[in-house]
Amino acid sequence: NAGVMQNPRHLVRRRGQEARLRCSPMKGHSHVYWYRQLPEEGLKFMVYLQKENIIDESGMPKERFSAEFPKEGPSILRIQQVVRGDSAAYFCASSPASNLEQYFGPGTRLTVT
Amino acid sequence: SQQGEEDPQALSIQEGENATMNCSYKTSINNLQWYRQNSGRGLVHLILIRSNEREKHSGRLRVTLDTSKKSSSLLITASRAADTASYFCATDANTGNQFYFGTGTSLTVIP
Repeated sequence: NAGVMQNPRHLVRRRGQEARLRCSPMKGHSHVYWYRQLPEEGLKFMVYLQKENIIDESGMPKERFSAEFPKEGPSILRIQQVVRGDSAAYFCASSPASNLEQYFGPGTRLTVT
Repeated sequence: SQQGEEDPQALSIQEGENATMNCSYKTSINNLQWYRQNSGRGLVHLILIRSNEREKHSGRLRVTLDTSKKSSSLLITASRAADTASYFCATDANTGNQFYFGTGTSLTVIP
């Protein structure tokens, strides 16, 4: 059973470009969480999705950020018109149900130049 | 904010010693979890303790939970150099939708 997969592992974008981060949850997991981690800081919750539904996006900026978890395929975190402040590590986690332990992917390190 | 706060921020000990990290939080929880993160890597789940539990063990790890004080501790016994990592506590809100992570304790175990 493969763990949570994230790609790419590293992504460099220039200011104004779009960043697309992918997350494939563990097999059998229908709950996906996205977190952002700045250097030397803890993880900040962004969004919680179940298949085809956004359950809680209270941690995600209203503008430029969007997330989806389609019926088929990975969950996508999309950042439009990236700015330097978007540079961070983005982690996704999956779980078989809410309120249970989450299994984390290796993260995508986004650098905006 | 419900965000957990770990204490201390950084801890350096000799191999073989015990390491204790604390976590405090602000509102009622269903469960509290401890995670470990090696530098530049994703988080690894260590232990989940439910609000009606007071203590839990897993190998060299011992977690306690005091809901009256809204605090938890993680004890690593007989530490090893490989235990060097950052340790985070995560608490849920009653909705269970979110987990709030603290800023972590950076543990260094000196061989």
